[in-house]
Amino acid sequence: RKEVEQDPGPFNVPEGATVAFNCTYSNSASQSFFWYRQDCRKEPKLLMSVYSSGNEDGRFTAQLNRASQYISLLIRDSKLSDSATYLCVVNKQNFVFGPGTRLSVLP
Amino acid sequence: GAVVSQHPSWVICKSGTSVKIECRSLDFQATTMFWYRQFPKQSLMLMATSNEGSKATYEQGVEKDKFLINHASLTLSTLTVTSAHPEDSSFYICSALGTVLNEKLFFGSGTQLSVL
Repeated sequence: RKEVEQDPGPFNVPEGATVAFNCTYSNSASQSFFWYRQDCRKEPKLLMSVYSSGNEDGRFTAQLNRASQYISLLIRDSKLSDSATYLCVVNKQNFVFGPGTRLSVLP
Repeated sequence: GAVVSQHPSWVICKSGTSVKIECRSLDFQATTMFWYRQFPKQSLMLMATSNEGSKATYEQGVEKDKFLINHASLTLSTLTVTSAHPEDSSFYICSALGTVLNEKLFFGSGTQLSVL
């Protein structure tokens, strides 16, 4: 089993849709969790950290369930500019990146 | 926000030559830097972790004699691809972990290496 797994995607959604990304991790000792977005041939950029209590930043909501070793990202009212690959990242001793889920928001 | 500068952005070289990629943290001290490689439509793969003043730790399957990493200061790490071959063509990205930046990773802009 891979250390970090994500929905295989791609997700193709219309503008304004709500889209959810799922991520699971295998190492129960993982300490911190993040969502990054990566545009084609660009570096990943931190979208948000994920806290146990859940956290929200504008249209983006992240949730963490340590018992289930599950992380989610919800994007509401999606925009064309949200099109990217979303990477789930889990940190214990190293930052481990999931394979990413590609999102295309269509006009 | 924290800035990591990576250059060059794009390199085209002949097979057998060596290529050096630099990664600098511009406004913070990076005790740890990571080097990744990404092939088209694939995820980031960690190649090695470098800590300032010590030898890099390489991931399984990554040849340390081919991918030389130097982290001589708290703001600079370099990756040298020695005797590059076409199969080394890839997108190489560095990231830096700051000492006081709450464990967040900051990435360089990446280097696209094409070996002819």
